[in-house]
Amino acid sequence: DTAVSQTPKYLVTQMGNDKSIKCEQNLGHDTMYWYKQDSKKFLKIMFSYNNKELIINETVPNRFSPKSPDKAHLNLHINSLELGDSAVYFCASSQSSSEQYFGPGTRLTVT
Amino acid sequence: SQQGEEDPQALSIQEGENATMNCSYKTSINNLQWYRQNSGRGLVHLILIRSNEREKHSGRLRVTLDTSKKSSSLLITASRAADTASYFCAIPRIAGGGADGLTFGKGTHLIIQP
Repeated sequence: DTAVSQTPKYLVTQMGNDKSIKCEQNLGHDTMYWYKQDSKKFLKIMFSYNNKELIINETVPNRFSPKSPDKAHLNLHINSLELGDSAVYFCASSQSSSEQYFGPGTRLTVT
Repeated sequence: SQQGEEDPQALSIQEGENATMNCSYKTSINNLQWYRQNSGRGLVHLILIRSNEREKHSGRLRVTLDTSKKSSSLLITASRAADTASYFCAIPRIAGGGADGLTFGKGTHLIIQP
């Protein structure tokens, strides 16, 4: 069973479109995250949710809106996509300050 | 910035040799973690070392932590082709941990030559 899953794996879309990435974890963890990895492989946290409550909202444009319908899901909706949004987006989960479990990533390409 | 910085950025060695990667950071921490990322994949947790620990082993991996120097090292012994990957150190964004996420270094890209 996949511990942290994301869909889709690849997403190619045009500038100005709105898209969503879904994430689910079956580990029973309380906390879920979204990270962005740029073309130089630099990983930066975007959001953190603990028990469906937003904990971290880094300096991310408000075109990005996370939604956590329940503890096992954290989706990422992006409005008005821009070229600079092209990256790999990783979902992760953890229990308190322990190790994090990452999903396989969603490679977003904006053309 | 509190982020970890790995050194070297890239490392190429022969299969069977040992590989050492270093990480430096700037803030107080309660733990430091190492992750591996194979090409096109997600990150996989390798080892978590707490601030009161100096050394930790897991199979062929050995991690050290020197909080006085704010540095850590990851040693992979008897390297294999399958160890080819990027390796990242990460520290909790806030010393108390919790749901605060991790700050990652830029990674060391390790290539094991057969």
